[in-house]
Amino acid sequence: ELKVEQNPLFLSMQEGKNYTIYCNYSTTSDRLYWYRQDPGKSLESLFVLLSNGAVKQEGRLMASLDTKARLSTLHITAAVHDLSATYFCAVDAYNFNKFYFGSGTKLNVKP
Amino acid sequence: NAGVTQTPKFQVLKTGQSMTLQCAQDMNHNSMYWYRQDPGMGLRLIYYSASEGTTDKGEVPNGYNVSRLNKREFSLRLESAAPSQTSVYFCASSEAGVVDTQYFGPGTRLTVL
Repeated sequence: ELKVEQNPLFLSMQEGKNYTIYCNYSTTSDRLYWYRQDPGKSLESLFVLLSNGAVKQEGRLMASLDTKARLSTLHITAAVHDLSATYFCAVDAYNFNKFYFGSGTKLNVKP
Repeated sequence: NAGVTQTPKFQVLKTGQSMTLQCAQDMNHNSMYWYRQDPGMGLRLIYYSASEGTTDKGEVPNGYNVSRLNKREFSLRLESAAPSQTSVYFCASSEAGVVDTQYFGPGTRLTVL
């Protein structure tokens, strides 16, 4: 059974701190995606990671992919309140356009 | 460009009623998807359409049917709604190339009583 596991599921942190969200998956895939969802809203794309060792950065967020370990990380540097949201990773199972999402990490950054 | 649009935004059904959720995209994307989102479970793929004229089952297809009407439109039908189908439904589309980022609609909040 294919699994995509994120941890932690909930994260409360102070502004200015650093933290990492982890995404483990159980299937063969070279394509991993990170999305952000604000409360009551839809999902928007953050990063697309397409190969082993891929690293992408945007502002205070940096994502990386290790396909051999089947692990992706989303690192938050010097968090700010505006980053409060739920973050999802998604895996394209067997590179076949069939996407499986993690349960999401709800991030609350306290001012 | 409107991106991905969904109708309706909200719907309340009684058990056993049927309804169709509509989705349209104006980005000329090949692939379209239907997901449901339940608290604590992330998004689960119901059906997808890799290209016009094709549809395939996802993780949780039971109780649903889909139609890829043309390249722009992909509808989701509940033939006999059940309380377990209470959820938020998202439609998404993607180019289906190497990158394949999905673009999501605003969602439909469905309650089945």
